Amino acid sequence: TQLLEQSPQFLSIQEGENLTVYCNSSSVFSSLQWYRQEPGEGPVLLVTVVTGGEVKKLKRLTFQFGDARKDSSLHITAAQPGDTGLYLCAGPNTLTFGKGTMLLVSP
Amino acid sequence: GAVVSQHPSWVICKSGTSVKIECRSLDFQATTMFWYRQFPKQSLMLMATSNEGSKATYEQGVEKDKFLINHASLTLSTLTVTSAHPEDSSFYICSAPGGPYEQFFGPGTRLTVL
Repeated sequence: TQLLEQSPQFLSIQEGENLTVYCNSSSVFSSLQWYRQEPGEGPVLLVTVVTGGEVKKLKRLTFQFGDARKDSSLHITAAQPGDTGLYLCAGPNTLTFGKGTMLLVSP
Repeated sequence: GAVVSQHPSWVICKSGTSVKIECRSLDFQATTMFWYRQFPKQSLMLMATSNEGSKATYEQGVEKDKFLINHASLTLSTLTVTSAHPEDSSFYICSAPGGPYEQFFGPGTRLTVL
């Protein structure tokens, strides 16, 4: 079983701050996905990274896939209250999910 | 993007009764769908893979006789929680693949067993 470790598990910050969330594994993944989930809703796909060393940007969100394809990071610049949610990384076909990072951005 | 719906969005039932949850792919066909459960403040845990026209594949530790899955068509999978008990109370989510790297998730069903 391929395991994904996410850190931190919980993050509470003020609006305008920057933050980074990490997703690590001892296994090599062919791809990793990042999702955001709001309370009472299903996860929504943010990005899929496929190539080692790949960097993808989605507005204020920057996603990076490690060169060895064992880890990934999500960096949010100038966080806003609307970024609040549970951020999940997942392996291919979403058979494996990290435990998630609960982000709370206060005004 | 593709849309996956779930019905009902929430359900309250008495202990011992059975509850059926539907998962539909609205604008695409899905030969495979996935069922997850999620406890409060925790991540999603894959329960089973639903296969159209054949038996579901259950993850280790998931009771197949308790969580009955039927994938009768290319757009519908159902999860029936049989003889539900309070410990089955959870948020149940389904997903369907929309491409090689993409999963579309339903909005979830909140089950509360009294």
